[in-house]
This record gives sequence, C-alpha cells and structure tokens, in this order.
Amino acid sequence: DGGITQSPKYLFRKEGQNVTLSCEQNLNHDAMYWYRQDPGQGLRLIYYSQIVNDFQKGDIAEGYSVSREKKESFPLTVTSAQKNPTAFYLCASRPGTATNEKLFFGSGTQLSVL
Amino acid sequence: GDSVTQMEGPVTLSEEAFLTINCTYTATGYPSLFWYVQYPGEGLQLLLKATKADDKGSNKGFEATYRKETTSFHLEKGSVQVSDSAVYFCALSDGNYGQNFVFGPGTRLSVLP
Repeated sequence: DGGITQSPKYLFRKEGQNVTLSCEQNLNHDAMYWYRQDPGQGLRLIYYSQIVNDFQKGDIAEGYSVSREKKESFPLTVTSAQKNPTAFYLCASRPGTATNEKLFFGSGTQLSVL
Repeated sequence: GDSVTQMEGPVTLSEEAFLTINCTYTATGYPSLFWYVQYPGEGLQLLLKATKADDKGSNKGFEATYRKETTSFHLEKGSVQVSDSAVYFCALSDGNYGQNFVFGPGTRLSVLP
C-alpha cells in the first residue's frame, strides 16, 4: 500500500544529543513537510521541501535541520540547539503545491527528553 | 498573514446529537479549505475539502460549505457516534503563502454513549 512511514514511533533524547526522525513516502510526491504538534495545540511548520535537493524553513526551524537527497525521503534532525524538543512530530507530503491538493500524513513520532 | 480560527473545545456531546464546529479564516488569496481529523496517537486524515466559494465538502455524514462572504467553513454532522470522538482541525491552503497549509488549533470532540 502507498503511504508515508515515520520511524521510530517513540524516541528519547538525552541532553546535548542530536536525534534523527525518519520519513519515507512511496506516493511519488514532490512536496514534503515536517510539522510539530504540542499538546492541545495546532500544527506548526518546521521545514518543507517542494522538490529534491531543495528545502525551505518554516515558522519554527531553529534547532532543526533537514535534507532532501531523494524524492522519497525527508529526514528531520533535532539538534541539541532545540531546547524544548518534547513534542509529537508529523511528516506529510502531497503531489505538488497546487492549493487544492490535500496533505497526506504519516502516523507521527513522539519525541521525549530523558 | 493567513490564519485559521476554530471554536475552543473540548466539545462533549451525547450520541446522536447534532454537531457544529465553527471555523473562520483570513487569507490574502483564494484558498482551498480542509477539515482533518486526528485520532489519539495518530497522524491527521483528510475528512473533507472545498476548493471554491459555495462548494460543499462531505464525507461520512460530515459536511462543510465554503462561505466566502463570511470567510467561514463550519463543520456539521446531523447525528454523531462514539466513534467520531477525535480532534478536528480546520485548515487552508493558499498559493500566496508559499504553497503551504495553515492549521487551526484543533477542537477536541468527545461523544458519550
């Protein structure tokens, strides 16, 4: 089945450590996104990529980094510079960037700080 | 900039009650409008969408009409079920906003048997 796979489901980060969240899609979508969701809040955009080898900062990019070396993969690294990383992270994709195209979401990664 | 406002929750209803979740938006362009639903510990799923004024999106008994004159996209369902308990997000996609989505804060719905 086509879809978006995020791994791991749960991740724990130690102080000063960088961690990487995986996002893979087999939908042949050009555009991919990373969102952060805090309890009781909406989604905030971290980074997005409209095409391979290109990505743009979203509203809360500080302390995060991404790469887009392959069309199907868009990993997110939470660096030690992100002082409050505990949140639910959602990866999404869509075919292109036309306004009427919906976002497809993965099942999310819950990141917690030890 | 673009924004989406939703009614604050949580909303608690009895089974078979009528549901309305209000959503209004501000956009500089001509956005498409969406309702997404999120079940506990999962990602978001598209519930319905509308791409132009007066369009009505519908799915699984839920409906919402794109009202440009009131900049609204209220979600309604005539008879809710316990299985509808989830968080509902209103969202817009506006080509003038870097082709990105703007989400509302979400409204938690609990349906009691």
